[in-house]
Amino acid sequence: NAGVTQTPKFRVLKTGQSMTLLCAQDMNHEYMYWYRQDPGMGLRLIHYSVGEGTTAKGEVPDGYNVSRLKKQNFLLGLESAAPSQTSVYFCASSYSIRYNEQFFGPGTRLTVL
Amino acid sequence: KQEVTQIPAALSVPEGENLVLNCSFTDSAIYNLQWFRQDPGKGLTSLLLIQSSQREQTSGRLNASLDKSSGRSTLYIAASQPGDSATYLCAVIRPGANNLFFGTGTRLTVIP
Repeated sequence: NAGVTQTPKFRVLKTGQSMTLLCAQDMNHEYMYWYRQDPGMGLRLIHYSVGEGTTAKGEVPDGYNVSRLKKQNFLLGLESAAPSQTSVYFCASSYSIRYNEQFFGPGTRLTVL
Repeated sequence: KQEVTQIPAALSVPEGENLVLNCSFTDSAIYNLQWFRQDPGKGLTSLLLIQSSQREQTSGRLNASLDKSSGRSTLYIAASQPGDSATYLCAVIRPGANNLFFGTGTRLTVIP
């Protein structure tokens, strides 16, 4: 049981490049989330999904897109990376929002030059 | 908007000491509160989840309490060990929201 996994672990991009971060969970969770963590800002929600085929915006969605084609996978895309998107990105999942704890992946450290 | 505060930002204690970490939140209407541990360069590990109807939860040397009316939670760590050194984060979910609202954490160092 791997829990929540994320690929890649590290990435360096140039401004304007694009990339996709992959999150996978093997716990059959309905809910999945993408957060970013910045020094002094805490973790903030980018996008989330309440089930296969659904996505919704979080607190800081601008510059990102997501897709959830399969229940176990949640993809985060950056179409045109900007230095302001330099951050550590965490994926999380849970059975429900209200009653169950969220489980986090190990994170992806992204640097945009 | 829900704001979550953790004070102090950093704490150092000698090994074996019992300690308390604090978390406060501005909106008492929450579904639950979750405590996490984060090691440097790593992801978040869930420690305890307290539902809004509960007063406390225990796991091993950890005990978390919740006082919704005052907007406060504490994480008590008994007999601290160097392996407890990490950043501890608290987070809440409130009705109508779909995400955890996080504090900025307390960085704990347990000195051998």
